[in-house]
Amino acid sequence: RKEVEQDPGPFNVPEGATVAFNCTYSNSASQSFFWYRQDCRKEPKLLMSVYSSGNEDGRFTAQLNRASQYISLLIRDSKLSDSATYLCVFVSSGGSYIPTFGRGTSLIVHP
Amino acid sequence: DTGVSQDPRHKITKRGQNVTFRCDPISEHNRLYWYRQTLGQGPEFLTYFQNEAQLEKSRLLSDRFSAERPKGSFSTLEIQRTEQGDSAMYLCASSSSSRPRDRGYGYTFGSGTRLTVV
Repeated sequence: RKEVEQDPGPFNVPEGATVAFNCTYSNSASQSFFWYRQDCRKEPKLLMSVYSSGNEDGRFTAQLNRASQYISLLIRDSKLSDSATYLCVFVSSGGSYIPTFGRGTSLIVHP
Repeated sequence: DTGVSQDPRHKITKRGQNVTFRCDPISEHNRLYWYRQTLGQGPEFLTYFQNEAQLEKSRLLSDRFSAERPKGSFSTLEIQRTEQGDSAMYLCASSSSSRPRDRGYGYTFGSGTRLTVV
């Protein structure tokens, strides 16, 4: 089983739609979780951290389910500018702080 | 501070040649990471430095790959005897052990070096 699994998509949604992505992880020692955004032929950039209690940042909501070992990202009121690849990332405990990336989920928001 | 810089941005080389990439991290960051990313995949971890010490190198793809960070500042990644399968984007990232988790530990990526082996 891969350490991190994501549906590559693409998710093709109209402007204004709500869309959600999940990401499952296999390493139970995973301690910190993040969502990164990567635009075509650009470097990944941090979108938001993910906390056990769930957290929001504007139109974006992230959640963590440790029992089922998955994290999710919900985007409300999608904009054309949200079109990108969304990468889930975890960092294991142990001090090395090496981020492990999923393969990413492609989102295309159309007019 | 201008962020993480990588040089060159693009490299085209013939199979069998050696290539070297450079990464200049954010100046106050003590950790530096190298990743490889191929089309349709997420970044794949290669190696990691804390200051000048290379703390993890078991995931370098083969013995043709090596990395250095001699003075704890910039780093180089070398690929010897390149193969067509080495064609990919090579990303460098840096972070600080003192940055908080809610800022993603300050992980910042460079723009990458795109390698094409012909």
